[in-house]
Amino acid sequence: SQQGEEDPQALSIQEGENATMNCSYKTSINNLQWYRQNSGRGLVHLILIRSNEREKHSGRLRVTLDTSKKSSSLLITASRAADTASYFCATAISNFGNEKLTFGTGTRLTIIP
Amino acid sequence: DTEVTQTPKHLVMGMTNKKSLKCEQHMGHRAMYWYKQKAKKPPELMFVYSYEKLSINESVPSRFSPECPNSSLLNLHLHALQPEDSALYLCASSQPQVLALRDTQYFGPGTRLTVL
Repeated sequence: SQQGEEDPQALSIQEGENATMNCSYKTSINNLQWYRQNSGRGLVHLILIRSNEREKHSGRLRVTLDTSKKSSSLLITASRAADTASYFCATAISNFGNEKLTFGTGTRLTIIP
Repeated sequence: DTEVTQTPKHLVMGMTNKKSLKCEQHMGHRAMYWYKQKAKKPPELMFVYSYEKLSINESVPSRFSPECPNSSLLNLHLHALQPEDSALYLCASSQPQVLALRDTQYFGPGTRLTVL
């Protein structure tokens, strides 16, 4: 079963605006990661936030994690046309020494030039 | 080299065919993964290999048979597939860690499989 639910399912904004995507999950996690996928190709890792962290930045990306609410958000500032893609959160859960990632439902982001 | 390569990029096969998907990485990662992704859905984990041994099988049908011949290579052997198995098959790798926090997974571009 899917661990994460993301909203919105789809988001269209003008270039230059900020985009915010949210992810909720169900069980305790070791870390939460965000990935980007262009046009049904491979996923690209964006950022990882550990369960004891609350906020993390990487370039134009800002991720927050609220373990009490079991939720995370990804903010992309000053969006560009090249940011058009699907974005997935993924929760990492330990499984007898192995960690497995379970992906959320994804947000399809469209940046309008 | 931070690349995971997958071949072929596209594959069309009949339900009676036998084919294989290949994945290769040279980052020294000792954990490798197969995911299946249907259109407009998130990737779903199929198999995990850790140090060339199968560590997770997510109840995948036996018509999918994984193989890890060495630390750099991961194969997925396909036999007697069904049309509903048509999907994007993604390979990924990472450093396995025990009792520690997982590293990033690096994904290949995927093989788009169509079963007729």
